[in-house]
Order: sequence, then structure tokens, then C-alpha cells
Amino acid sequence: DAKTTQPTSMDCAEGRAANLPCNHSTISGNEYVYWYRQIHSQGPQYIIHGLKNNETNEMASLIITEDRKSSTLILPHATLRDTAVYYCIVRDTGTASKLTFGTGTRLQVTL
Amino acid sequence: GAGVSQSPRYKVAKRGQDVALRCDPISGHVSLFWYQQALGQGPEFLTYFQNEAQLDKSGLPSDRFFAERPEGSVSTLKIQRTQQEDSAVYLCASSLNRGSSPLHFGNGTRLTVT
Repeated sequence: DAKTTQPTSMDCAEGRAANLPCNHSTISGNEYVYWYRQIHSQGPQYIIHGLKNNETNEMASLIITEDRKSSTLILPHATLRDTAVYYCIVRDTGTASKLTFGTGTRLQVTL
Repeated sequence: GAGVSQSPRYKVAKRGQDVALRCDPISGHVSLFWYQQALGQGPEFLTYFQNEAQLDKSGLPSDRFFAERPEGSVSTLKIQRTQQEDSAVYLCASSLNRGSSPLHFGNGTRLTVT
């Protein structure tokens, strides 16, 4: 799987949009971008994934650049409960393959 | 149940004991994955099943680690002769075996070897 680069940590004020960047410059054509988050003492929670088009669901939006070398996860109105480690992962889904986690971004939402 | 269920939630073992960790995947999910997460680190892949077939065990750290899924549903991760470095959270995930279906994780079993 291609590697990803994320900032180690970020802060966001409650109620504001949290924009989490991810670089994946070596991504190949059949690799999807997945985002997960992990709140303390819980397993990773699936957020969203996409191939080339922007995606939106009830949790977040995923913006992928046209060259697919980077993406941004947007939490439109962050709350304290969004404080977590966010993982950006690229995955070749040709053979239902595993996810390879990096170190993620620790997002701290503050009052 | 609605999600992946793992038991026990916590396990304390004396060094040298054998342990067995259970995973109940989401009903109908063909693929099942085991991960190990050390404190402060991201999850590390251990092994992968498609139905009852173990297709990838490249992440198992030693021959003391063994996983099975005999009927293609519930899976057990067994660690023999536990050592202190085996202390970690063991996570199970399942997914549908099609396209880009995401993995869904349980909350893990925290193993402490004393």
C-alpha cells in the first residue's frame, strides 16, 4: 500500500470546521483513500472513503485533489466528541486487502 | 448484534500462560482481520481470513500466535506461552468481500501479561 503523510497533531475550536490534510503522492490508480478515527479505548471507527470524486456522508466530507496526491477530511462543525486520532489510509481493494495504519493526526477540539 | 463483538474486553495473563481471544464479526461479513495495537501506536496487521480460509498470516509475530475461523464466522486468536511484549490491544475487524467495502472494527481485547 502507498504511504500517507499526516500532521502529528491539530487543534480546532468547537463549532468550527476541522480540516485534516493527508498527502499520498505515490497513490496508484486502483487505490482508495480511507479515513478512520480512534477515540481512546475504542476500536478504529470508519468515517468515509473515496477514489477520485469528493464524497460526503453524515459524519464528514472527503475532498480529493484532481491529481489524487492529497486529500482533506472535513468535519463541518467539530464537537468535543470529535477529539480523536484520525488515520488516512490508502488501500488497494483489488483483493479485499488489509488496511495499513500510520501514526495519524491527533485532533484536539477545544471550547 | 450490530457491530463486531470481542471478548473478553480485558485479559490479564501471567507470563507463560496461553490465552484465547474471541471475535464475533458482523453477520454476513466474509472477510475477517486481526490487528495488534501497542500503546501509543497505530494498529498493526496480524492476519486475514476469507470465510474459513486464512489467506494472509504475514503479520503474526511468532509461531506462538495462531488464529482460526473454522466455520467462517467466529474467530479465535490464540497466543501460547505469553510474554510481556505480547501486552497490547488486539483488534478484530470484518468486512464484506466486495469492492471497496470498509473494515468495521470491534473495541478490542486489552491483554496485559505480568
